[in-house]
Amino acid sequence: EVQLVESGGALVQPGESLRLSCAASGFTFSDYRMTWVRQAPGKGLEWVASIKQDGTEKYYVASARGRFTISRDNAQNSLYLQMNSLRAEDTAVYFCARDRGPGGTSPWGQGTLVTVFS
Amino acid sequence: DIQMTQSPSTLSASVGDRVTITCRASQSISSWLAWYQQKPGKAPKLLIYKASSLESGVPSRFSGSGSGTEFTLTISSLQPDDFQTYYCQQYNSPQRTFGQGTKVEIK
Repeated sequence: EVQLVESGGALVQPGESLRLSCAASGFTFSDYRMTWVRQAPGKGLEWVASIKQDGTEKYYVASARGRFTISRDNAQNSLYLQMNSLRAEDTAVYFCARDRGPGGTSPWGQGTLVTVFS
Repeated sequence: DIQMTQSPSTLSASVGDRVTITCRASQSISSWLAWYQQKPGKAPKLLIYKASSLESGVPSRFSGSGSGTEFTLTISSLQPDDFQTYYCQQYNSPQRTFGQGTKVEIK
């Protein structure tokens, strides 16, 4: 069974850092681009970042560029999101998901909650 | 970045109704569009990819159409479990943007 499990969400103060992890299983992780998507409380989905299969290309939403870093460890079947200089508007559930290219994005993990409060 | 505009934001319908949700892209995205269903407190679930391809296991009452800049998701006969929120997403560019969502409510 294809499975994605996020971890690392926490309650932090503005300006602090946090690293999210996503453990993948049930598929050949290194064959797929991977993505982080977030959803603020009561709001819609926002694509945050994606990383190519070999990690050589990374893409970010404008609000995350320069503060967030997406990375992966294909040997450990793991995806990461390093988030620095966190702001209140980064408060959201963060989902990791498998990007199937032409086949859309599926599946998604259950999400991990990041709360930035002062 | 490519902007995606969904309409309506909210749709009130009854069981058995045929409903259509529209998604417009700010520039041509060919057929690189997906539709997702999200239940409260859950992760989104892929329904349709490449504008009109039905994801495995998704009921055939869901269908998608369109290309270029205008796309639709149609539910042919609304079932009780379909009263959820739906999102479109373009994946023509590496920055994969979503529409703002459409909540389908019980009339």
